[in-house]
Amino acid sequence: EAQVTQNPRYLITVTGKKLTVTCSQNMNHEYMSWYRQDPGLGLRQIYYSMNVEATDKGDVPEGYKVSRKEKRNFPLILESPSPNQTSLYFCASTGTGTGGTGELFFGEGSRLTVL
Amino acid sequence: AQSVAQPEDQVNVAEGNPLTVKCTYSVSGNPYLFWYVQYPNRGLQFLLKYITGDNLVKGSYGFEAEFNKSQTSFHLKKPSALVSDSALYFCAVRVRMNFNKFYFGSGTKLNVKP
Repeated sequence: EAQVTQNPRYLITVTGKKLTVTCSQNMNHEYMSWYRQDPGLGLRQIYYSMNVEATDKGDVPEGYKVSRKEKRNFPLILESPSPNQTSLYFCASTGTGTGGTGELFFGEGSRLTVL
Repeated sequence: AQSVAQPEDQVNVAEGNPLTVKCTYSVSGNPYLFWYVQYPNRGLQFLLKYITGDNLVKGSYGFEAEFNKSQTSFHLKKPSALVSDSALYFCAVRVRMNFNKFYFGSGTKLNVKP
């Protein structure tokens, strides 16, 4: 089954404690991205990746890091989380193989609370 | 600036009645247009897309959307709403040939009452 898998789904942490949210896709997609969803703001892109070892900032990259060492994985790293990073996070992927129209496939989301 | 607007935070409709969820966009070029649905505690699921051709596109669960180039709108519609359609709906726009850049609306909560 084609899917994007994120872990953990729920996490409560404290300010400054480094954490990583993993994301893996099994569709051989070139493009992967991270979004955060906040009430009234829709989805905002944090980082994206065009392929292995190719990443770039989205609209709200401050406080986040990413890496793309393998095509299927795209972890999101919060080096020193702060309360304003409390949010619902989504990983998504897309590829040219979907007829070139590139609709996004989303993970189930990771709800992060930073105390 | 590129943007997508969903002017209604919430839409209320009775079961069996037609529904419309509005979306307008301001994106350069001829973008691809998408609708996604989000159920509680779930990720976004793809509903339908407009690429080119017929202005009325059909998607999953009986939904359809009408593209209007002159009004830069892409409204989501369904002839007869179900209670199970209650969810959060997002309009999204992607610039052609740029697989990384999607612009999302703020979302519209659809409430279908029995």
